[in-house]
Amino acid sequence: GAGVSQSPRYKVAKRGQDVALRCDPISGHVSLFWYQQALGQGPEFLTYFQNEAQLDKSGLPSDRFFAERPEGSVSTLKIQRTQKEDSAVYLCASSSDWVSRELFFGEGSRLTVL
Amino acid sequence: AQSVTQLGSHVSVSEGALVLLRCNYSSSVPPYLFWYVQYPNQGLQLLLKYTSAATLVKGINGFEAEFKKSETSFHLTKPSAHMSDAAEYFCAVRWGGKLIFGQGTELSVKP
Repeated sequence: GAGVSQSPRYKVAKRGQDVALRCDPISGHVSLFWYQQALGQGPEFLTYFQNEAQLDKSGLPSDRFFAERPEGSVSTLKIQRTQKEDSAVYLCASSSDWVSRELFFGEGSRLTVL
Repeated sequence: AQSVTQLGSHVSVSEGALVLLRCNYSSSVPPYLFWYVQYPNQGLQLLLKYTSAATLVKGINGFEAEFKKSETSFHLTKPSAHMSDAAEYFCAVRWGGKLIFGQGTELSVKP
């Protein structure tokens, strides 16, 4: 596609529910990143993929967070048993350039946990 | 680990005035540095990047940044602010295959 597409744009969940956030990267981009952005903060790294391989998941805050990219294109970030502190904007980015690591971001998925 | 510090969480300037947003990084090796802009309810958009070529980097919308190794700085400037420049600005450094972002600086532009 022309840009990084994320869905849903807005998600409200009750505490304890599971949520799934989808990212469709720019066509041909092999690298895909997930970031978490709390209100008034900078984006915090969660995880990244090179094609279907998850090369770094050091930023995932707990084992309730899980990401996958089974065919090396679309990725899903899943949060199990959501907690209030999971409320944030989840940003997806993709990149084709390994050297400079220029990232192209989607508009984000805003998760609110009640 | 590398880190990025943005001095000033909020900067306010008058329209037509100089914009200066400060960024310092910690790095023991030559870094790749970036400035991104974020408008409300939108994702981040790349303004400019430094990749060890020219130390003065020109970006979109009239912004530029100068890499100063001796000061470990990569400050963002624009000679004349426009109302449309009001947004959140993030400095970032590449580390370990990913980008590490600063906390951001919100720029307000007064008429």
